[in-house]
Amino acid sequence: SQQGEEDPQALSIQEGENATMNCSYKTSINNLQWYRQNSGRGLVHLILIRSNEREKHSGRLRVTLDTSKKSSSLLITASRAADTASYFCATASNSGGYQKVTFGTGTKLQVIP
Amino acid sequence: SQTIHQWPATLVQPVGSPLSLECTVEGTSNPNLYWYRQAAGRGLQLLFYSVGIGQISSEVPQNLSASRPQDRQFILSSKKLLLSDSGFYLCAWSVDRIYGYTFGSGTRLTVV
Repeated sequence: SQQGEEDPQALSIQEGENATMNCSYKTSINNLQWYRQNSGRGLVHLILIRSNEREKHSGRLRVTLDTSKKSSSLLITASRAADTASYFCATASNSGGYQKVTFGTGTKLQVIP
Repeated sequence: SQTIHQWPATLVQPVGSPLSLECTVEGTSNPNLYWYRQAAGRGLQLLFYSVGIGQISSEVPQNLSASRPQDRQFILSSKKLLLSDSGFYLCAWSVDRIYGYTFGSGTRLTVV
């Protein structure tokens, strides 16, 4: 079953606006990670938030985690055309003695110059 | 610094032909290694993971196999490709439970 599901599936905004993407999951987690993927490329790790953390910042990125609602959000402030990419959340949980990371289907962000 | 190399970038293979994709990691030792497949416009599906040399775990039954002949080398193989094996294959590594994954640049496989 799908562990991480992003919402919306696609988002189009003007440059300078903020972009918010949400992720919901179903089981308990150790941490939640956000990745970025440019078209046809590998994924780039953006930020990791542990299950005991509620908010984390990295540059123009702000991630929140609500374990009671099993949800996370990624906020990109003052978006730029270069932020155009797909963004994936990934949940890490224990599975058979190793940390299993499950990816969602992603949010496609388009930032219009 | 740690780097991950994955090749080739693109590959077109006929149905029934063999496959070998290679991934190598530099700058770290005893990494956890992973092979993922991404269908067009979809998330990533974990195919195999390895916590050490010769240790391979498969997440889903399929036409593919994986091997780890050296600590920092991970190979994805098939004896006979199917049309359904087409996709974007990504190798990744991690060293512990604290940090995220580092991905390779991916291989676009098209089986014709």
